[in-house]
Amino acid sequence: DGGITQSPKYLFRKEGQNVTLSCEQNLNHDAMYWYRQDPGQGLRLIYYSQIVNDFQKGDIAEGYSVSREKKESFPLTVTSAQKNPTAFYLCASSMNSEAFFGQGTRLTVV
Amino acid sequence: AQSVTQLGSHVSVSEGALVLLRCNYSSSVPPYLFWYVQYPNQGLQLLLKYTTGATLVKGINGFEAEFKKSETSFHLTKPSAHMSDAAEYFCAVSEYDYKLSFGAGTTVTVRA
Repeated sequence: DGGITQSPKYLFRKEGQNVTLSCEQNLNHDAMYWYRQDPGQGLRLIYYSQIVNDFQKGDIAEGYSVSREKKESFPLTVTSAQKNPTAFYLCASSMNSEAFFGQGTRLTVV
Repeated sequence: AQSVTQLGSHVSVSEGALVLLRCNYSSSVPPYLFWYVQYPNQGLQLLLKYTTGATLVKGINGFEAEFKKSETSFHLTKPSAHMSDAAEYFCAVSEYDYKLSFGAGTTVTVRA
């Protein structure tokens, strides 16, 4: 089945650690996105990529980094510079104005 | 720049009653408009979308929405609520680059 796979579903990070969230899609979409979701704030755009080897900052990119070496993959690294990383992270891909979402990764700082 | 305002963070309806979720947007160009539904700890599922053409859009699970350019609105309705409609609903807008901007979301509870 075509879709977007995010892993892991739950992730725990210690203070000062970098962690990487995986996002893979087999929909052959050019564009991919990372959103952060916090209660009562909707979804906020972290980074997006419209083509391989190119990506742009979204509204809340500080403390995050991404890469887009393959069309199918768009991993997100949450660095130690992100002061409040506990949140639900959603990856999406899109074509022809319609976005498809993964099931999300819940990151908790312990 | 585009933005979305969802009126009401929580809506409670009785089973069988009308569901009405309000969404207003701002956009500098003709927008694409979307409604998504999210169940706890899951991703977002597209309910319906407006791109061009007919302003009354029908989606899945009996939902529909009407694009009113003069009111910059895209309200979501369902004539008769079902218990399975309990979820969080997000309105979103995108422009030419397809980046989505989301509203803060509306949580729907359905009373038996």
